[in-house]
Amino acid sequence: GEDVEQSLFLSVREGDSSVINCTYTDSSSTYLYWYKQEPGAGLQLLTYIFSNMDMKQDQRLTVLLNKKDKHLSLRIADTQTGDSAIYFCAERPGGGGNKLTFGTGTQLKVEL
Amino acid sequence: DTAVSQTPKYLVTQMGNDKSIKCEQNLGHDTMYWYKQDSKKFLKIMFSYNNKELIINETVPNRFSPKSPDKAHLNLHINSLELGDSAVYFCASSQDPTGRTGYTFGSGTRLTVV
Repeated sequence: GEDVEQSLFLSVREGDSSVINCTYTDSSSTYLYWYKQEPGAGLQLLTYIFSNMDMKQDQRLTVLLNKKDKHLSLRIADTQTGDSAIYFCAERPGGGGNKLTFGTGTQLKVEL
Repeated sequence: DTAVSQTPKYLVTQMGNDKSIKCEQNLGHDTMYWYKQDSKKFLKIMFSYNNKELIINETVPNRFSPKSPDKAHLNLHINSLELGDSAVYFCASSQDPTGRTGYTFGSGTRLTVV
């Protein structure tokens, strides 16, 4: 079955880079996603990567995918206080299913 | 002009009551979902509808009944509410049933059963 895991907490100083990691078990995953959830709000899609890519960059965000190790990471450059939120990775399994399986979420705290 | 809107935002009710949560999307998406987020922030899919037809029904108590009157609306009715139903319920939509380009989420309904 699918299982997606993340570390629970990450604390960084403003201006530093943040790296949030995620591991998954389904080797047939086709798409992998990063979502951001601010307090009291819904999940906001940040970016996604197709499984035949190993990197995707979008402004301050860099996604790295190591398909062999089933490891996904999100790097946020020049982290700001507004980046403080919970970050969820999610995977879409292969086989045509449309059900996303979400990770446990990583609480990112940005300190001054 | 909110893309995915849910009502109510907060719902406090007593055990045993029946309640409904409504969801509407104005994105023209074909597929809608209900997710449950528990107190540890764990998100689990409950249901998915594509163009008014049920396509995913996870292991959810049959006290939960989704209804999709049209592809822009997906409501969730819960009978005989229990304490364990307390959670944040998120509605989401995707352009097509594959969900490849990700979901758009509503802002959630915080349900508290007392």
